[in-house]
Amino acid sequence: AQSVTQLDSHVSVSEGTPVLLRCNYSSSYSPSLFWYVQHPNKGLQLLLKYTSAATLVKGINGFEAEFKKSETSFHLTKPSAHMSDAAEYFCVGAGNTGKLIFGQGTTLQVKP
Amino acid sequence: DAGVIQSPRHEVTEMGQEVTLRCKPISGHNSLFWYRQTMMRGLELLIYFNNNVPIDDSGMPEDRFSAKMPNASFSTLKIQPSEPRDSAVYFCAISGHPNYGYTFGSGTRLTVV
Repeated sequence: AQSVTQLDSHVSVSEGTPVLLRCNYSSSYSPSLFWYVQHPNKGLQLLLKYTSAATLVKGINGFEAEFKKSETSFHLTKPSAHMSDAAEYFCVGAGNTGKLIFGQGTTLQVKP
Repeated sequence: DAGVIQSPRHEVTEMGQEVTLRCKPISGHNSLFWYRQTMMRGLELLIYFNNNVPIDDSGMPEDRFSAKMPNASFSTLKIQPSEPRDSAVYFCAISGHPNYGYTFGSGTRLTVV
């Protein structure tokens, strides 16, 4: 069975400092993995996706994520946080049944 | 979110009333999904369709919930009768292939009083 675990329910950083949102997955096969962002009262927006090409994936708004098979991780990073990055972030895996499997979500707070 | 249009954006209704949520996806997708999001339970998959056929409705909470997809360009989620615990944001999402992720609509915020 496939599962996605976000290790932190809440992350707080200061504006201008790096962001790290952690995600581990378990899968019996090479998965497709995604990060979505949801701003308050908005829908979910795709940040980036990994589909077994390059292990370092660059997304929108300066975010990137690295697929590490040995660590079964797909952590999301950004070198410098901006106030507008404050949102809920979801790590998501694509199951072989056609459904996406969502992590529990991580709330990112950015302090001035 | 322009690829999936949901209506209404907000709905406030009284307990016991029928509620119909609508989703109009762009063409070129194979699958359509209805999700519910609440603070307590996060995102829950209610039902999904593949080529307009319901594949998995195990997430539909009760018989009060029903969903249809009469064609590739339209789907509805109906709650009859509605209850206060149905209050949530309901999202419609589409996918051409699971490896490409989903495109989500902006959601319908339902409040049942």
